[in-house]
Amino acid sequence: AQSVAQPEDQVNVAEGNPLTVKCTYSVSGNPYLFWYVQYPNRGLQFLLKYITGDNLVKGSYGFEAEFNKSQTSFHLKKPSALVSDSALYFCAVRVVRTDKLIFGTGTRLQVFP
Amino acid sequence: DAEITQSPRHKITETGRQVTLACHQTWNHNNMFWYRQDLGHGLRLIHYSYGVQDTNKGEVSDGYSVSRSNTEDLPLTLESAASSQTSVYFCASRPGQGTGELFFGEGSRLTVL
Repeated sequence: AQSVAQPEDQVNVAEGNPLTVKCTYSVSGNPYLFWYVQYPNRGLQFLLKYITGDNLVKGSYGFEAEFNKSQTSFHLKKPSALVSDSALYFCAVRVVRTDKLIFGTGTRLQVFP
Repeated sequence: DAEITQSPRHKITETGRQVTLACHQTWNHNNMFWYRQDLGHGLRLIHYSYGVQDTNKGEVSDGYSVSRSNTEDLPLTLESAASSQTSVYFCASRPGQGTGELFFGEGSRLTVL
């Protein structure tokens, strides 16, 4: 079955430190992977996606993600966290042949001043 | 600016009542989706549509229905609301099938008493 896992419910990091939000996936064939961010009382916003090509994908607000096929991971990273990055982050994978997105359970990122 | 809007943003109803959540997008996107967001489950797909007169069931479609009579709208109907359907509902759209990202509405918070 196609699935995506976010092993951490919450990640805490101090402002200015690097951050990583983890995501692993299980799909048949080549994965299409996405990261979305949700601020309080708002809808999800697209951050970045991996379809093919360079394993390091750059996205909005200084975020990037690294695709690792051998570890079936697509971790979200940022070199220097901001308090304004505090939000709920979702990883998603496209389901082959159905064209639907399956979302992980989300990771709450808390950046402390 | 083109956008996707949901209404109502908040609704309280009673068990057994019929409820319709509206979703309207002005991007002329072919693909539209309804998700529900629940703690510990992330986002789960309820129904989706790839165009006018096309509707498909997602992973949690029981108790829900949709209809697509035009490109802009995909209303979600709960035929007989149940307390288990208390949730936050998100509508999303995408230009077409493939690798494009989803654009989300702001969400509709439904409470079934």
